[in-house]
Amino acid sequence: EAGVTQSPTHLIKTRGQQATLRCSPISGHTSVYWYQQALGLGLQFLLWYDEGEERNRGNFPPRFSGRQFPNYSSELNVNALELEDSALYLCASTLEGGTGELFFGEGSRLTVL
Amino acid sequence: DAKTTQPTSMDCAEGRAANLPCNHSTISGNEYVYWYRQIHSQGPQYIIHGLKNNETNEMASLIITEDRKSSTLILPHATLRDTAVYYCIATSTDSWGKLQFGAGTQVVVTP
Repeated sequence: EAGVTQSPTHLIKTRGQQATLRCSPISGHTSVYWYQQALGLGLQFLLWYDEGEERNRGNFPPRFSGRQFPNYSSELNVNALELEDSALYLCASTLEGGTGELFFGEGSRLTVL
Repeated sequence: DAKTTQPTSMDCAEGRAANLPCNHSTISGNEYVYWYRQIHSQGPQYIIHGLKNNETNEMASLIITEDRKSSTLILPHATLRDTAVYYCIATSTDSWGKLQFGAGTQVVVTP
């Protein structure tokens, strides 16, 4: 069974640009979560999507947004990139309704120059 | 979610049991204790969770004290591949979507 897949693996952007990261959950999982892990810092919760709806949001500015598609895959968009947005962005999925047992992907490394 | 406190780092000899402590003295009755680990440059991996009773699975055992103020994750026979940062998280069903990962414990398993 395929795990959570994320793309791209690495992405390099410059300040002010936009970045789009993609995530495909495990088959049968309907909840998708996004986390940010900046260098030297812990994982910070970003967004939670379930059944196509945004269920919860972490303490991040509105330029961090996303969506979940009918096939439960998800996209994270970061607008007006800043240097401090450089981080590993991790996607996780769980079964319907959410659970504390998250299955994480390997992440997308975003570098902002 | 209740705050958790873990040692910054610990070493363990290969083949020995690794006992990872976690303090969660302000945990509330509806909060579970979850353990994850993150091997360098990989996504976190779920290990085990529990509410009140001790739990065991193929990866580890979780021992929760009777007052639930602390817990211990036990890796019964540590291998080099167990070298990772281990996170202890206290969370309720209201917060399942937004787990609060702290700094964790860096565990280094040595030959």
